[in-house]
Amino acid sequence: DVQMTQSPSTLSASVGDRVTITCRASQSISSWLAWYQQKPGKAPKLLIYKASTLEIGVPSRFSASGSGTEFTLTISSLQPDDFASYYCQHYNSYSPRCSFGQGTKLEI
Amino acid sequence: QVQLVQSGAEVKRPGSSVKVSCRGSGGSFSGYAIAWVRQAPGQGLELMGGFIPALERPAYAQKFQGRVTISTDDSTSTIFLELNSLRSEDTALYFCARSANGFGLWGQGTMVTVSS
Repeated sequence: DVQMTQSPSTLSASVGDRVTITCRASQSISSWLAWYQQKPGKAPKLLIYKASTLEIGVPSRFSASGSGTEFTLTISSLQPDDFASYYCQHYNSYSPRCSFGQGTKLEI
Repeated sequence: QVQLVQSGAEVKRPGSSVKVSCRGSGGSFSGYAIAWVRQAPGQGLELMGGFIPALERPAYAQKFQGRVTISTDDSTSTIFLELNSLRSEDTALYFCARSANGFGLWGQGTMVTVSS
């Protein structure tokens, strides 16, 4: 199975900051990568799929890039609502098989 | 509005079983894979398995092989997760999710508490 490693595990930032989260795959996964935002007690929310495609309705301050084994999620100007946990995921389209990163908690 | 609706919270004794349901409503779910993901308190997301419509059978994460059963009821667009031999470490929030380009649709989650 593909192992996904995120860094950092915790990130302290302020409103208005630009932040970047990194995700590395143990082997090449092409662009089969998604990013999620999750708030406590709630289901994750899909932000990005195919490594860089913004899900409908997600603010444009979120962007992502990468392919192969190295991926990044960037939030250009943090808003109060963005303080949450973020997960990367290697997925296979139309299959339940996937691997999640361990998560990054973005805190004030 | 397309949504996945899960069954309510459960409290179970160690060694028992739990069966959680996830019903699709408001749209077509045929042809979509549905995954089960759990999250223990304060921990990350963990895939348990799911149903692969192309193969018409479930697939399980290795960690849960032999202890979990995923089944479906096509007549009600419902998928079930049954976990046996429960232990305290199974206390978690259990989610179903529809797989397409990533998991774009999630159930609201079902809290399962295992306690003596």
